[in-house]
Amino acid sequence: SSELTQDPAVSVALGQTVRITCQGDSLRSYYASWYQQKPGQAPVLVIYGKNNRPSGIPDRFSGSSSGNTASLTITGAQAEDEADYYCNSRDSSGNRNWVFGGGTKLTVL
Amino acid sequence: QVQLQESGPGLVKPSQTLSLTCTVSGGSISSGGYYWSWIRQHPGKGLEWIGYIYYSGSTYYNPSLKSRVTISVDTSKNQFSLKLSSVTAADTAVYYCARTLVVPAAHDYWGQGTLVTVSS
Repeated sequence: SSELTQDPAVSVALGQTVRITCQGDSLRSYYASWYQQKPGQAPVLVIYGKNNRPSGIPDRFSGSSSGNTASLTITGAQAEDEADYYCNSRDSSGNRNWVFGGGTKLTVL
Repeated sequence: QVQLQESGPGLVKPSQTLSLTCTVSGGSISSGGYYWSWIRQHPGKGLEWIGYIYYSGSTYYNPSLKSRVTISVDTSKNQFSLKLSSVTAADTAVYYCARTLVVPAAHDYWGQGTLVTVSS
């Protein structure tokens, strides 16, 4: 399958923990990567692989995976975390395609 | 610090070919270990992977765009390019270039993006 499904919108109270999920058959074979995108800006990689953060990404961002579901967790959400979040993985159908989820709009209340 | 910068026309007429170039600085395309991707985002929509190229010239394209896409690399200029033929209004989007890791899979550096509008 070549689809990744995300909830369109999620909200979290300031300082609380939020989990953003991504579902798809390809996640049984490949880890998801996660991207944060703020209005008018390019996406920024925040999590990749089993649970790797690029340099400069706060440790409140973490990733996990189980079966066909990948999750991005923000522990102690900050106002600056309000953004769109996209998951991405390689397609497991053998055509070397890459697929993105539809994105989740995170609102920090 | 690797930086990528897209360049090319911001307006393309329907049925013509969209052409963009990505210039890489702070790292060499020829050093290997990475693929170089084009990704687009329709206005107000999500992200769509178009395809990528390795420094050797090997390419892989999104099956939905494969018949119209060509990605090439010029290692002497540290650039890679996108050509999308027979464009329509549906190809209006912000086009990003990015550096891509295959294992684990991730696009770790992105250009700022360039808006291409298809209109007569």
